[in-house]
Amino acid sequence: NAGVTQTPKFQVLKTGQSMTLQCAQDMNHEYMSWYRQDPGMGLRLIHYSVGAGITDQGEVPNGYNVSRSTTEDFPLRLLSAAPSQTSVYFCASSKDRDQYEQYFGPGTRLTVT
Amino acid sequence: GENVEQHPSTLSVQEGDSAVIKCTYSDSASNYFPWYKQELGKRPQLIIDIRSNVGEKKDQRIAVTLNKTAKHFSLHITETQPEDSAVYFCAAGTSGTYKYIFGTGTRLKVLA
Repeated sequence: NAGVTQTPKFQVLKTGQSMTLQCAQDMNHEYMSWYRQDPGMGLRLIHYSVGAGITDQGEVPNGYNVSRSTTEDFPLRLLSAAPSQTSVYFCASSKDRDQYEQYFGPGTRLTVT
Repeated sequence: GENVEQHPSTLSVQEGDSAVIKCTYSDSASNYFPWYKQELGKRPQLIIDIRSNVGEKKDQRIAVTLNKTAKHFSLHITETQPEDSAVYFCAAGTSGTYKYIFGTGTRLKVLA
């Protein structure tokens, strides 16, 4: 199993550009989520999904869209990038609603200039 | 809203000493408390977790204690080694909701 994979590893965007961060897992996990990590602020939940076709907002959803058309994939779309979205983004998955361990992807370091 | 406070933000200990990191949560419905370790440039990885029906759990040099009445839980690392140097995050979750709230992290440095 590859676990949770993310692409790209690094990305530089100009203000106003849009892009999609990819996340995939091959563990047949129900739950997938996106976090952003900023210095001194821990991991903040952006969006999450409890299954294909079901998504919901987390703590900091503004400026981001998600979709979950398959169990495996959970892309995060930045609609119009802003410097405040400069961060490290982690995708995570877990088996089901009984609070099993979250498995994190390797992260995407995004810089918006 | 719900939050998790974590202290200290940085901690330096001599190799062989113990390290303690403390977290306090606000949501009384929280019943799952994981701890993650994140090495520099790497992804967070679970090192130990505890559920609300248990007061303490140990795994070799690592232990977690939970005080539900006071809504706080702690990570204890004994006989620290240089490879324990990392950022440690606590989190609080509630069964059936999927969501975790993470603490802001503790940077642990183990001095050789």
